[in-house]
Amino acid sequence: TQLLEQSPQFLSIQEGENLTVYCNSSSVFSSLQWYRQEPGEGPVLLVTVVTGGEVKKLKRLTFQFGDARKDSSLHITAAQPGDTGLYLCAGPIRGNTGKLIFGQGTTLQVKP
Amino acid sequence: ETGVTQSPTHLIKTRGQQVTLRCSSQSGHNTVSWYQQALGQGPQFIFQYYREEENGRGNFPPRFSGLQFPNYSSELNVNALELDDSALYLCASSFGGGWNYGYTFGSGTRLTVV
Repeated sequence: TQLLEQSPQFLSIQEGENLTVYCNSSSVFSSLQWYRQEPGEGPVLLVTVVTGGEVKKLKRLTFQFGDARKDSSLHITAAQPGDTGLYLCAGPIRGNTGKLIFGQGTTLQVKP
Repeated sequence: ETGVTQSPTHLIKTRGQQVTLRCSSQSGHNTVSWYQQALGQGPQFIFQYYREEENGRGNFPPRFSGLQFPNYSSELNVNALELDDSALYLCASSFGGGWNYGYTFGSGTRLTVV
């Protein structure tokens, strides 16, 4: 069974601090996606990483896909209160194209 | 370009009742996937509809069923509601039965079963 495990589950930091969220699996994924979800809203796609070892940057957010394509990380530099939300990693269910499996999410609170 | 719209936004039902949730896909998208998200958890895949047919199903009982219409909108029906069905139900649309270009999610329907 494919599983995606995120850590930490909760993170509360001060504005300006850096943080890293991890997404790990014992299974190989062809690619992984990261979403951000705010209360009362659906998840919004941030990035898709496809190649093992790939690094993508989105302003202050840096996403990395592990060399073995079993893990990914999200690093936020100088976090701001607007970064507050639930961060979810997701990958395609093997043999079931077009369907995603999600991690349990990391709730980030950035205090001013 | 319109996004994904879901209705209703909130719903309270009694255990044993039936419920229908609705979703209009984003313009140009022909695939709709439904997810259940319990509080504090990631979304869990229920099923997907592509070209009006079910195109894969997650680990949900048969009392969860759906439809897709020619305009690609979709319905999720849940019969014999149980307390554990209380959750945020998310609809996501995409193109071509795949997910490579990412899903566009609606804001969800918050279902409470009492």
